[in-house]
Amino acid sequence: AQKVTQAQTEISVVEKEDVTLDCVYETRDTTYYLFWYKQPPSGELVFLIRRNSFDEQNEISGRYSWNFQKSTSSFNFTITASQVVDSAVYFCALRGGGATNKLIFGTGTLLAVQP
Amino acid sequence: DAGVTQSPTHLIKTRGQHVTLRCSPISGHKSVSWYQQVLGQGPQFIFQYYEKEERGRGNFPDRFSARQFPNYSSELNVNALLLGDSALYLCASSLEGTPVYNEQFFGPGTRLTVL
Repeated sequence: AQKVTQAQTEISVVEKEDVTLDCVYETRDTTYYLFWYKQPPSGELVFLIRRNSFDEQNEISGRYSWNFQKSTSSFNFTITASQVVDSAVYFCALRGGGATNKLIFGTGTLLAVQP
Repeated sequence: DAGVTQSPTHLIKTRGQHVTLRCSPISGHKSVSWYQQVLGQGPQFIFQYYEKEERGRGNFPDRFSARQFPNYSSELNVNALLLGDSALYLCASSLEGTPVYNEQFFGPGTRLTVL
């Protein structure tokens, strides 16, 4: 079975603090894909990043960085110098190696950045 | 370029009624997927269509059906509505239904309320 766990339900930080959102996944597929999406109050899911199982290289995009570790089945997301506009629900998602595009989402982490 | 569009934005129905939700993918995208997001949870996969064929189906009852048209737009139909069908219904499109181009881009969703 495939599963994504986001243990942090809510996180509150003060602007300019760094924050890490945790994601742990389970899959038996040897090829799989991991994603992070941002869902602001408007409701639309915004794609942030995709990582393939065969590429463990970490990635940095501006204030965002992602740490993929197959050994611990984790794909954590760090926001450096958080801003109020980062306030949203963040979802980690898993796609297996089959033909379908089905995404398995975690329950999400609500990030509140206080000014 | 226009993103994924969905209509209507909001919908209120009563138990037992039928509803049709519509989605237009990003131009050039051939795959459309539908997700149900109940308040406080992550999206749950309902269907994927690629080139007008069903490519995947989630764990939803037969009251849920969908189809994709030659222009790649899609409809999600739900019959005999239950209170538990109240949710945000998200449509996502991707370039192709293969792992090579599998970023899914989501629309703003349709908020369905069943009374």
